[in-house]
Amino acid sequence: NAGVMQNPRHLVRRRGQEARLRCSPMKGHSHVYWYRQLPEEGLKFMVYLQKENIIDESGMPKERFSAEFPKEGPSILRIQQVVRGDSAAYFCASSDRGIQETQYFGPGTRLLVL
Amino acid sequence: QKEVEQDPGPLSVPEGAIVSLNCTYSNSAFQYFMWYRQYSRKGPELLMYTYSSGNKEDGRFTAQVDKSSKYISLFIRDSQPSDSATYLCALDSGSARQLTFGSGTQLTVLP
Repeated sequence: NAGVMQNPRHLVRRRGQEARLRCSPMKGHSHVYWYRQLPEEGLKFMVYLQKENIIDESGMPKERFSAEFPKEGPSILRIQQVVRGDSAAYFCASSDRGIQETQYFGPGTRLLVL
Repeated sequence: QKEVEQDPGPLSVPEGAIVSLNCTYSNSAFQYFMWYRQYSRKGPELLMYTYSSGNKEDGRFTAQVDKSSKYISLFIRDSQPSDSATYLCALDSGSARQLTFGSGTQLTVLP
């Protein structure tokens, strides 16, 4: 499967725990984007990364959220001290160039905070 | 006012009907327009990608863009039950690299 891969597909955390979401882009893609989809809402942009660089994090909450895309391995979206409002579907997308390039989405990670 | 407005539906049509899905937007900086289809509990799947005013056709799907009116549409001909999904419009200014999505229209095609 050469598509965007995300794991885990489902993640349950208790309030105050940490959540780590992983995204492996399509083969050959070096640009990764994270979006969040709250219930009954559209997808909202969070962050755009290239290998080892955060390009645009204007959609990322200022506290508790961080993202990285290391030289080796998947991109990681990390949420510290989760709260119930963090419950959502988190989607990763990738493209092989930054500008004017189609973004292909993964299946998402559904985070439930108890 | 939201940057992108999309009627959430739900929209229910009989098999074989022509479906019209629409989005309006307020920011004239948007230059690239996409339609994604999202099945329940799945990731969005790209259907159509356009960057100019006018029509673009791909099989049973036609995307229409009117930049002067800031209005985009997706038409589905000969709709099938397998078309039942949520359809999301997505817009891109080309420089920000972040897609701005509509809230999605839930479509059900009845056999």
